[in-house]
Amino acid sequence: DAKTTQPTSMDCAEGRAANLPCNHSTISGNEYVYWYRQIHSQGPQYIIHGLKNNETNEMASLIITEDRKSSTLILPHATLRDTAVYYCIVRAFTSGTYKYIFGTGTRLKVLA
Amino acid sequence: GAGVSQTPSNKVTEKGKYVELRCDPISGHTALYWYRQSLGQGPEFLIYFQGTGAADDSGLPNDRFFAVRPEGSVSTLKIQRTERGDSAVYLCASRLTPGELFFGEGSRLTVL
Repeated sequence: DAKTTQPTSMDCAEGRAANLPCNHSTISGNEYVYWYRQIHSQGPQYIIHGLKNNETNEMASLIITEDRKSSTLILPHATLRDTAVYYCIVRAFTSGTYKYIFGTGTRLKVLA
Repeated sequence: GAGVSQTPSNKVTEKGKYVELRCDPISGHTALYWYRQSLGQGPEFLIYFQGTGAADDSGLPNDRFFAVRPEGSVSTLKIQRTERGDSAVYLCASRLTPGELFFGEGSRLTVL
């Protein structure tokens, strides 16, 4: 299964863009990159996912490098409510099963 | 309900006791996942159901852990002879198509 590595923690000023990097150098050609976040004491919440192309939705943008070995989640205008742990996940297809393997994530703190 | 529902939200038990944790997925979702999350860690995969069958139980730590989904909807995670190391938040997630996982709020298990 492809593994992901992320910085342990990051700070971002409120109103600024938060750029969260993720390395997934062993990703296979048909494996998607997913991003989730988890606010304290809640279940993980889906943010965005992609395969090759950059993606954007109402929450964030996902930039995937051409070689697919890394990606960046961008929160364009971070607010205090974006303070959370952000997980970069590679969805692997193994033995007929879609597995979503979480790493330890990046703890983002948005500062007022 | 609209989301994934997990009960109980909190469970305190004594070492050696038997525990059941319940997950009620989003209606119509055929795939169901159980994860375990220890303090400061990302969710750890336990088991995956497609319909009624356990398609992948490779994450169950030992034979004290067992899960069922008899009618392809509600699932129960069963832990026998609980140990202090089983203390964690147990998360359930469901999905319809290969895509976004929807998580519940989790069941926090404390083994004294």
